[in-house]
Amino acid sequence: DQQVKQNSPSLSVQEGRISILNCDYTNSMFDYFLWYKKYPAEGPTFLISISSIKDKNEDGRFTVFLNKSAKHLSLHIVPSQPGDSAVYFCAASDGGSNYKLTFGKGTLLTVNP
Amino acid sequence: NAGVTQTPKFQVLKTGQSMTLQCAQDMNHNSMYWYRQDPGMGLRLIYYSASEGTTDKGEVPNGYNVSRLNKREFSLRLESAAPSQTSVYFCASSLLTVNTEAFFGQGTRLTVV
Repeated sequence: DQQVKQNSPSLSVQEGRISILNCDYTNSMFDYFLWYKKYPAEGPTFLISISSIKDKNEDGRFTVFLNKSAKHLSLHIVPSQPGDSAVYFCAASDGGSNYKLTFGKGTLLTVNP
Repeated sequence: NAGVTQTPKFQVLKTGQSMTLQCAQDMNHNSMYWYRQDPGMGLRLIYYSASEGTTDKGEVPNGYNVSRLNKREFSLRLESAAPSQTSVYFCASSLLTVNTEAFFGQGTRLTVV
């Protein structure tokens, strides 16, 4: 039973355009959401998070949107850069607990120059 | 600042052999975690340590043991390795267990033949 779903295994965009990565969840107890970025042969790196009391959080080129009624969140990267090419993991937590983090399978983003 | 350091980076074991994966963090974090990542899957929590002196099972603890040696170090032991334990293992740490992002090590790629 996959509680956090990233239905697109891969996404390819042109440099300078917007990248939109999507994530759906099924557990209504999830109330804290995070995005991690992972380069090959490295560990995941925290990117941005959002609490369920918000519907948007922005940090530079990265914005996360949360639609609680649809149990859907998305990560927007504007403008996309070749260095953004990586695997992006969506993660969700019940009560914000790191030991209750559930990760999606990841989406490979490729930004073409 | 090294962050989270894992050793070794690569390891090949024969079925039935034992080994210990080492992890150390220099960020004075209270909480530490061991995850495994398998192809086409997200990260899954094996064990965690909310604070020095405590350890708890995560989602997939069978076949593993852990030791929180001190605040800095958290080791993962495979007593009798099995091919199903072939995976990439990540250690992570966070200041607290709630609402704080985790910092990951570079990973250990383990192959059990």
